[in-house]
Amino acid sequence: SQQGEEDPQALSIQEGENATMNCSYKTSINNLQWYRQNSGRGLVHLILIRSNEREKHSGRLRVTLDTSKKSSSLLITASRAADTASYFCATGQGAQKLVFGQGTRLTINP
Amino acid sequence: NAGVMQNPRHLVRRRGQEARLRCSPMKGHSHVYWYRQLPEEGLKFMVYLQKENIIDESGMPKERFSAEFPKEGPSILRIQQVVRGDSAAYFCASSPRQGAFADTQYFGPGTRLTVL
Repeated sequence: SQQGEEDPQALSIQEGENATMNCSYKTSINNLQWYRQNSGRGLVHLILIRSNEREKHSGRLRVTLDTSKKSSSLLITASRAADTASYFCATGQGAQKLVFGQGTRLTINP
Repeated sequence: NAGVMQNPRHLVRRRGQEARLRCSPMKGHSHVYWYRQLPEEGLKFMVYLQKENIIDESGMPKERFSAEFPKEGPSILRIQQVVRGDSAAYFCASSPRQGAFADTQYFGPGTRLTVL
């Protein structure tokens, strides 16, 4: 069964606005990773946050992790048209597989 | 350092034929993962391999699907007697499993399989 559940499923905002996507999961994890996928392309790794971390930044990206609520959020600040893509959270369990959510389709309108 | 390479990028097969998908991990990575993505869905784990070993194949269908990662050469995902339901994008990822980025999986561009 899917572990991560992204919310919302689709998000459409104006260029320059901030975009927030959420991810919930069910079991204990070692880490949580966010990926971006442009239409018809492969996945690009954005950021990894470990279970003992609460917040992480990378450029315009900010990821939070709340293990008590089993949830994470991805914030993209000052969005650009090039940010249009699907965003997936994936939970890492043990040393092996990633379990992906269904993704959030983000559209940035010029 | 080249990224994860997959070929072919697109593969068309007729029902009953065999499909072979290849994955070359990033240099220095000895851990390979295969995932399948159906349209409008997230990726689903299929199999995790190290050189010459299958570590976890819990996501692999019991029949027609097999994977290998030989000592030399790329990892191969093999689908025998393909059916229309096998049409999907198949992604390979590799990981160093050590160092600062031990848990990060780096994905290839995928192979899009279409079964006619």
